[in-house]
Amino acid sequence: EIVLTQTPATLSLSPGERATLSCRASQSIRNYLAWYQQKPGQAPRLLIYGASTRATGVPARFSGSGSGTEFTLTISSLEPEDFAVYYCQQSTNWPPLTFGGGTKVEIK
Amino acid sequence: QVQLVQSGAEVKKPGASVKVSCKASGYIFTDYYLHWVRQAPGQGLEWLGWIKPNSGDTNYVQRFEDRVTMTRDTSISTAYMELSSLRFDDTAVYFCAREARGAGAHFDLWGQGTLVTVSS
Repeated sequence: EIVLTQTPATLSLSPGERATLSCRASQSIRNYLAWYQQKPGQAPRLLIYGASTRATGVPARFSGSGSGTEFTLTISSLEPEDFAVYYCQQSTNWPPLTFGGGTKVEIK
Repeated sequence: QVQLVQSGAEVKKPGASVKVSCKASGYIFTDYYLHWVRQAPGQGLEWLGWIKPNSGDTNYVQRFEDRVTMTRDTSISTAYMELSSLRFDDTAVYFCAREARGAGAHFDLWGQGTLVTVSS
């Protein structure tokens, strides 16, 4: 089973700042990585798939990069609605599909 | 519009079973795999398995293989996830999610979630 480790667990930033979230895989997952945003009481929302492709309707301030075992989600300038929990998810070697433990982006 | 609508919250006793439904609308139900994911209170996301609505084929995560059953009724575009022999640690929100097309298996459409509480 591929383990995804997300760092940091919590990121405290102010609106307008840049957020950089990391996801590391226990073995190579090529570019089969997706990122999701989840707000309290809501289902996750797909942001990025294929490591770097933005999903439909996702603002350009969200970008994904990486391949192999190291991946990054960048939010170029935080908007108030971006404070949430973010999960990465792999699908190169499954079952099982696996998710990272999440990074909470909170208001500083 | 395109959506997945799940059944309402459930409270069950340990050892009982629960069956959650997920009704698809706005797209062709049989064209997309449907997955189930759960989230325990304050915890992360855990994948349970998928069903291929066209054929009924399923694939479950190994640790739930003996307790989970995924089915579908194509006549009403609805998928079901049944979990048996419930334990306290099965308390979670259960989501259905549509697998999108593109690089890798990822989920572009989610149900609103169904809270299943296991309590004596």
